[in-house]
Amino acid sequence: AQSVAQPEDQVNVAEGNPLTVKCTYSVSGNPYLFWYVQYPNRGLQFLLKYITGDNLVKGSYGFEAEFNKSQTSFHLKKPSALVSDSALYFCAARKAGNMLTFGGGTRLMVKP
Amino acid sequence: EAGVAQSPRYKIIEKRQSVAFWCNPISGHATLYWYQQILGQGPKLLIQFQNNGVVDDSQLPKDRFSAERLKGVDSTLKIQPAKLEDSAVYLCASSSAGLDTQYFGPGTRLTVL
Repeated sequence: AQSVAQPEDQVNVAEGNPLTVKCTYSVSGNPYLFWYVQYPNRGLQFLLKYITGDNLVKGSYGFEAEFNKSQTSFHLKKPSALVSDSALYFCAARKAGNMLTFGGGTRLMVKP
Repeated sequence: EAGVAQSPRYKIIEKRQSVAFWCNPISGHATLYWYQQILGQGPKLLIQFQNNGVVDDSQLPKDRFSAERLKGVDSTLKIQPAKLEDSAVYLCASSSAGLDTQYFGPGTRLTVL
C-alpha cells in the first residue's frame, strides 16, 4: 500500500531564511511525487511535481524539491522564505495507475 | 483559464439530513476526483471518474455516499443520511487525460450538527 509521511506538524522559520518541509514516501516502483499548498479556506494549489528526470524539480513561487530515491524522500525547499509563504503544505505520491495518496500536512509559519 | 468550480462553499445540516455538492471541472479535463479532507488531515480520495465512468470508488462509503457525472462534465456528490463524522471539507479536482497534475477547487465545508 502507498503511504506518505510528513514528520513535522509545523515548521517555523524567520523571513529571509531558507526553509525545508520534509516528506518521505512508500510507493512500489517509480513514484510520481507532488507538492501542494493550501491557504485558509482555499483548495489545494499545485506547486511542483516529479515524474522522471532531474532529481531537482523547480516549481511555483521559488519553491523546489529534491527527489532522493535511496532515502525515499521528496523534501520541499526554498532559499529565502517570505511571510506570505505561511500556509499548509501537502506532499502526495502515487505510482502510475494508482490513486494519489496525501501526507498529513505541515504548517509552515514564517515570522517577520 | 477558469479553475475548478464548486458550490456551495459552506453547508450546515443536522445529522440524518441529506446534502449535495456540485463540481464543474476545468474545461476539457476528462478526469474528475472527489476528496474528503477532515480537519488536520490530508485529503482522502472518495471517487474518481474518467469521463462519465467510475475508475475508483474503493474508499467511498457507499451506504450513504453517492456520486454521478452523467454527461462527463460536471459532477454531484451526495450524502444521505449525514453523520456527525461527515463534517469535513469536500474537495473536487480535475486533470487532463494522460497527465498527472490534479487541479483543485475551493472546496465545500460541511458541518453536521
